[in-house]
Amino acid sequence: GAGVSQTPSNKVTEKGKYVELRCDPISGHTALYWYRQSLGQGPEFLIYFQGTGAADDSGLPNDRFFAVRPEGSVSTLKIQRTERGDSAVYLCASSLTGRDGYTFGSGTRLTVV
Amino acid sequence: GESVGLHLPTLSVQEGDNSIINCAYSNSASDYFIWYKQESGKGPQFIIDIRSNMDKRQGQRVTVLLNKTVKHLSLQIAATQPGDSAVYFCAETGAGSYQLTFGKGTKLSVIP
Repeated sequence: GAGVSQTPSNKVTEKGKYVELRCDPISGHTALYWYRQSLGQGPEFLIYFQGTGAADDSGLPNDRFFAVRPEGSVSTLKIQRTERGDSAVYLCASSLTGRDGYTFGSGTRLTVV
Repeated sequence: GESVGLHLPTLSVQEGDNSIINCAYSNSASDYFIWYKQESGKGPQFIIDIRSNMDKRQGQRVTVLLNKTVKHLSLQIAATQPGDSAVYFCAETGAGSYQLTFGKGTKLSVIP
């Protein structure tokens, strides 16, 4: 597609539930990133994929968070046993090689109630 | 929607004036820097980037200056327009790293 697409744009879930957030990167971009942005803050790195593999997952806050990119294109960020502190905007970005200008999607606003 | 500019430093400029947004970074190993613009409810939008082997780069109405000695980055916007109103973030990454580290952000408000 022309840009990075993220679905859903908004997600409200109850504490303890499981959620999946989807990212469609720009076609042909091998690098894909997930970031999390809390209100009034800059985005914080979660995980980086090069192709199908997670090259760097050092930003994932704990083992409730997991992400996959099975075919090297679409990625899914999975959060188990959601907590109210997980509420944030989850941003996905892609780039052609990984060291050029990243293009971000509009994000998924997750609210845990 | 909620504002990403809540509690951020704010710069107010008159339409048509030039704007300068500053950013300090701490990692002396950072070698790639990007400025992003973020409007409410949207993701960060790439504006301009610069690598550490340069100290100035110009785009359309924007200029980025890099001073590695004092670890300072600035974004200059010429002839600021109402559409420039947004939160601006600087981001950096170091050699061999793919993580972007974002600064705190500055909210730019353009007064018509």
